[in-house]
Amino acid sequence: KAGVTQTPRYLIKTRGQQVTLSCSPISGHRSVSWYQQTPGQGLQFLFEYFSETQRNKGNFPGRFSGRQFSNSRSEMNVSTLELGDSALYLCASSLEGQGEYGYTFGSGTRLTVV
Amino acid sequence: AQSVSQHNHHVILSEAASLELGCNYSYGGTVNLFWYVQYPGQHLQLLLKYFSGDPLVKGIKGFEAEFIKSKFSFNLRKPSVQWSDTAEYFCAVWRAGKSTFGDGTTLTVKP
Repeated sequence: KAGVTQTPRYLIKTRGQQVTLSCSPISGHRSVSWYQQTPGQGLQFLFEYFSETQRNKGNFPGRFSGRQFSNSRSEMNVSTLELGDSALYLCASSLEGQGEYGYTFGSGTRLTVV
Repeated sequence: AQSVSQHNHHVILSEAASLELGCNYSYGGTVNLFWYVQYPGQHLQLLLKYFSGDPLVKGIKGFEAEFIKSKFSFNLRKPSVQWSDTAEYFCAVWRAGKSTFGDGTTLTVKP
């Protein structure tokens, strides 16, 4: 099976801009979760999509949004970027539940906001 | 709110030393427990998992973990570490449709 693919690997954006990140889960996996990883705060849950529907959402502002397509690929969008949004954004793929049996992670997208 | 605590932020060991990384979670009921590892420059990968049954579970690369329900703990162990075990280790707990991760423990193994 191909792994979880995240694109792009690196991004540099300016404050106030918006950004879209993409994730293709493992074939057959219908659940995609997004996490923000920072040195100080570990992995923080953003949201989870299953069959094109957002099932769970973390405690992030409305600037963070996402969607899932019929082929299970997912995108997340961050609008009006702030310096504090600089982080590694991880996509996690699972068969159905939100990591109930464990996740397969992508390599992440490293976002730097300047 | 669910919370997962990893006791040590940074552990430094010499090769062949024994390792134990602590993980505690804050809630009862049925949980699924995981340890993930992130080697330098690589993605997070599952090291081992516990759902039910024997509370001592074995994972890849000689790692094992023990679930102690009465202590709400799931500590990771390895009898003899190698330089290649240098990585960041994350404990995670799944309960009621939600996964929560600890803040991670960075392990540095000196050759």
